[in-house]
Amino acid sequence: RKEVEQDPGPFNVPEGATVAFNCTYSNSASQSFFWYRQDCRKEPKLLMSVYSSGNEDGRFTAQLNRASQYISLLIRDSKLSDSATYLCVVKDDRGSTLGRLYFGRGTQLTVWP
Amino acid sequence: DADVTQTPRNRITKTGKRIMLECSQTKGHDRMYWYRQDPGLGLRLIYYSFDVKDINKGEISDGYSVSRQAQAKFSLSLESAIPNQTALYFCATSDFYGTGKGPGRTDTQYFGPGTRLTVL
Repeated sequence: RKEVEQDPGPFNVPEGATVAFNCTYSNSASQSFFWYRQDCRKEPKLLMSVYSSGNEDGRFTAQLNRASQYISLLIRDSKLSDSATYLCVVKDDRGSTLGRLYFGRGTQLTVWP
Repeated sequence: DADVTQTPRNRITKTGKRIMLECSQTKGHDRMYWYRQDPGLGLRLIYYSFDVKDINKGEISDGYSVSRQAQAKFSLSLESAIPNQTALYFCATSDFYGTGKGPGRTDTQYFGPGTRLTVL
């Protein structure tokens, strides 16, 4: 079983739409969670960290549900520039491999005009 | 100038050849990583290094070796390349500030631009 599972999509939405991605993780001891964004043929870049209380950065909202072990990313008022692949990432907080990140396969989003 | 650089950016080679991919960083981070990315499989960790004297295998280390020549340099070698090692390879670095949790603590990984390797 993979550490991080997410729906690969693709999600195709019109400009202005609201879209949500979910992912689940298998290690209940994980403490740190992130969303990365990857444009086509480019390197992944941190979009936002995910905190227990939920956090918002402009049009992006991240939520964490520890009981169900899932993480979500909500994008409001989608822009053409939001088209990318969104990677759900979980950090390994266990002793011997402390600091490793586990990446989901990514969810592809296309925003059309 | 980019903080994390990779050379070469593209490489086509033949089965059985030895290949070295190089990564350099100017961020001053102790931690460095090598990943490969294949369509539909996402990023998979090959090797990682938490400091110059520390090298660890990742999920898919078979067929690969690494060398951490200095804090700023981490190279990946394919001793005898095979076609299923055709992939996009990323180097990444991170810093790590203790075990505190929540806002203010960062584990961000910074990726290089990638090396597209094709093994014929």
